[in-house]
Amino acid sequence: GAGVSQSPRYKVTKRGQDVALRCDPISGHVSLYWYRQALGQGPEFLTYFNYEAQQDKSGLPNDRFSAERPEGSISTLTIQRTEQRDSAMYRCASSLRSAGGPIAYNEQFFGPGTRLTVL
Amino acid sequence: GDSVTQMEGPVTLSEEAFLTINCTYTATGYPSLFWYVQYPGEGLQLLLKATKADDKGSNKGFEATYRKETTSFHLEKGSVQVSDSAVYFCALSVDQFYFGTGTSLTVIP
Repeated sequence: GAGVSQSPRYKVTKRGQDVALRCDPISGHVSLYWYRQALGQGPEFLTYFNYEAQQDKSGLPNDRFSAERPEGSISTLTIQRTEQRDSAMYRCASSLRSAGGPIAYNEQFFGPGTRLTVL
Repeated sequence: GDSVTQMEGPVTLSEEAFLTINCTYTATGYPSLFWYVQYPGEGLQLLLKATKADDKGSNKGFEATYRKETTSFHLEKGSVQVSDSAVYFCALSVDQFYFGTGTSLTVIP
């Protein structure tokens, strides 16, 4: 089946505008993760969901960032009043299940990312 | 807190050379360890994984062994090819994923 898809692939916006980034996970995957990746850095965790429930949002940098997954499938990451420092690659990943118990195994499948540029 | 430290790059090797990319971790609990690869213009792909101490992950000629005593998960390949040129990320997972900063590898003919 299809992999994780993200849209748009590229987004250029002006400072102060709101943006919504979409992620469509692999069908049947319980868990969905959002990351931000600056140039030359590894992905930085933002938040994740199991089904429709947001499990951890500790990585969201401030209250301008929010995410939802209302039906447990497609997720939207929204950034309000964008700032130039928000410019980055935003990556989504999904997995069959999230970690649990003493051994965590949750192979994540990544989407192609959305390159956000805030002017 | 949980974290991953990996060898900084960039690394440039000649074809058929031996590759080692170091990765050490700090974690509470019992993490799983991963190596992801990002080829030019593509997204991250899982390269190999190990879910418990002494496990060896392997794929495409790459290997890494989960060493709890040294908290390491070094990536190795005996003979690199030009097609291995990519950025390699070490990662650990307990409840969420923590990625290293990535190591860029360029293999020249």
